[in-house]
Amino acid sequence: GNSVTQMEGPVTLSEEAFLTINCTYTATGYPSLFWYVQYPGEGLQLLLKATKADDKGSNKGFEATYRKETTSFHLEKGSVQVSDSAVYFCALMGGFQKLVFGTGTRLLVSP
Amino acid sequence: DGGITQSPKYLFRKEGQNVTLSCEQNLNHDAMYWYRQDPGQGLRLIYYSQIVNDFQKGDIAEGYSVSREKKESFPLTVTSAQKNPTAFYLCASSLNIGRAFNQPQHFGDGTRLSIL
Repeated sequence: GNSVTQMEGPVTLSEEAFLTINCTYTATGYPSLFWYVQYPGEGLQLLLKATKADDKGSNKGFEATYRKETTSFHLEKGSVQVSDSAVYFCALMGGFQKLVFGTGTRLLVSP
Repeated sequence: DGGITQSPKYLFRKEGQNVTLSCEQNLNHDAMYWYRQDPGQGLRLIYYSQIVNDFQKGDIAEGYSVSREKKESFPLTVTSAQKNPTAFYLCASSLNIGRAFNQPQHFGDGTRLSIL
């Protein structure tokens, strides 16, 4: 079946550091890939998405590229801010609009 | 503004009681979903509905029930058969696959359920 594996957290960075959160997936066919962000006590917000191989999703300085050859969708940001502290979820969508989530990676950014 | 409203934000249940979590959306989305979130486990799908008067079990449906009588509403009942109901519950919605392929899901702010 479909599955998503994320790097375990927490990831602790200083402000303005470079961020990478690794995400790999297992899926049949050609899934769409997503990154969601969850701030404390809130629901999930869509951060970015990519629907086919080599697509790059980007939003708010975050980027991720759909790599079919390595089955990966790593999240990157060049310079993180304290306000980026949150939990980040990688997810894939196979058939019938069903999302499969990774376990989430907590990011902590200190001033 | 369009969005998804979940209520209440916090809910307490006594042993043996059923409780119902509300989810309303004004995004004109056809599909709606319920997820359960536990620490360190990500989100797991409980039930989903692609159209009114139709719904399917997700991965962890036991001890839960839903209804979809209106397009805007998808309430979730946590029954006494659910032995470990303490969790954060998230409702989501999306355009139906028939209209737009692989559309992202939009989430509410969640309901935190605890057992007294």
